[in-house]
Order: sequence, then C-alpha cells, then structure tokens
Amino acid sequence: DIQMTQSPSSLSASVGDRVTITCQASQDIRDYLNWYQQKVGKAPEVLIYDASNLEPGVPSRFSGSGSGTDFTLTISRLQPEDIATYYCQQYDNLPLTFGGGTKVEIK
Amino acid sequence: EVQLVESGGGLVQPGRSLRLSCAASGFTFDNFAMHWVRQAPGKGLEWVSGISWNSGRIDYADSVRGRFTISRDNAKNSLYLDMNSLRPEDTALYYCTKAGDKEMEDGLDVWGQGTTVTVSS
Repeated sequence: DIQMTQSPSSLSASVGDRVTITCQASQDIRDYLNWYQQKVGKAPEVLIYDASNLEPGVPSRFSGSGSGTDFTLTISRLQPEDIATYYCQQYDNLPLTFGGGTKVEIK
Repeated sequence: EVQLVESGGGLVQPGRSLRLSCAASGFTFDNFAMHWVRQAPGKGLEWVSGISWNSGRIDYADSVRGRFTISRDNAKNSLYLDMNSLRPEDTALYYCTKAGDKEMEDGLDVWGQGTTVTVSS
C-alpha cells in the first residue's frame, strides 16, 4: 500500500498569512493526488485534483504543486472561512490512501 | 444537482450485520466508479471499498475484506455496502463517494453527507 505522510498535523496562523501543507507519498504516484477540505461536521470537498488543478468554484488563493512523491497545498492568504482539516489522497494505486490530515486554525 | 444520499446506518451489536445504501442523482451513475470511505470519531479518512462502473472490478481495504460486500444497481442509481460480522472498530461515519472516472483509480469528486454506524453491545 502507498503511505501518505502529511505535515504538519496542525498549524495556527493569522488571517492573511501564507500557509503551506506538505504531503509525501511512499512511492512515485505521478500527479495522481487530490487535496480535500473538511470543515467541522461536514463532508470533505475537493480543492485540488491531479496535484495542481483547482476544482471549479474553489477560491484562487488555494493552489497545489508537486509530482512524484512530494506535494504541497498552499493557501496564499488565509481567511477565517479556511478553518478546516485538509487531507491529501493518492489514486495511483488501490487501495486509495489518505494522509493523516492537517488541522488549520486561526491564531 | 449532483447528489449522494446515504441511509441504513444505526446502532448494532458486535457480530451483527447492517446494509448501507446510497442513492445517486444528478449524474449518469453508470459512467462512474463508486467508493465507500469511513471516518471514525475524531479520526481521519479511511477508504473502505470501491466498485467500477459495471461492477467488473471490486476491491476492499484489508480491514474489511471478507466481512463487507460492495455492490451497485445501475438501473436504480444505487450503491450498497453489506457489512457482516461487525466489530466495535467499524464504528464510523460512512461516506458514499463518486470517482471521477469509470475505473476506481481516481479522485473522489462528490461526497454524500454520510451515515453513522455504531457497533456496541
């Protein structure tokens, strides 16, 4: 199985800050990676697909980059509504696997 | 509107069975693979099982293989998960999710709101 390691597990930042979350795959997954946002009490929603493509309707302050084994989700200017837990997920191989999540809070 | 609505969750004793259902609408159901993903209380996301567009390929997480059975009825736009020999560690919110392609190896672009399964005596 492909292991997905996300870091940090949590972070606290100020409104307007640039936030970076990383995800590392245990083997090459090309660009077969999604990023999801999950707000409290809600289902996850796709932010980024194929590592770097913004899902329609998602604010442009979100961006994704990387390929192979190392990936990054960036929020260019953190907003109060971005408070959530973020997950990466690979779909290069079954079983589909998720990172452990990054909880983002406002300082 | 693309929508997935799960049902069938509840409180069940260890060793018993439960069937989850997922009703899909707003898209051509038989063009896409489907998956079940679960989330234990306070924990992260765990893939449970997936099924290709025509049921030709099916796969399970090792933690449920041999106990859970996924199926779909394309005529009814419905996905199912039959869960047998339930264990306390199966307690979770179960999400029905849609893949972006006919085959299972894809991202999950639509999620239902989930149905809660609690396994306890």
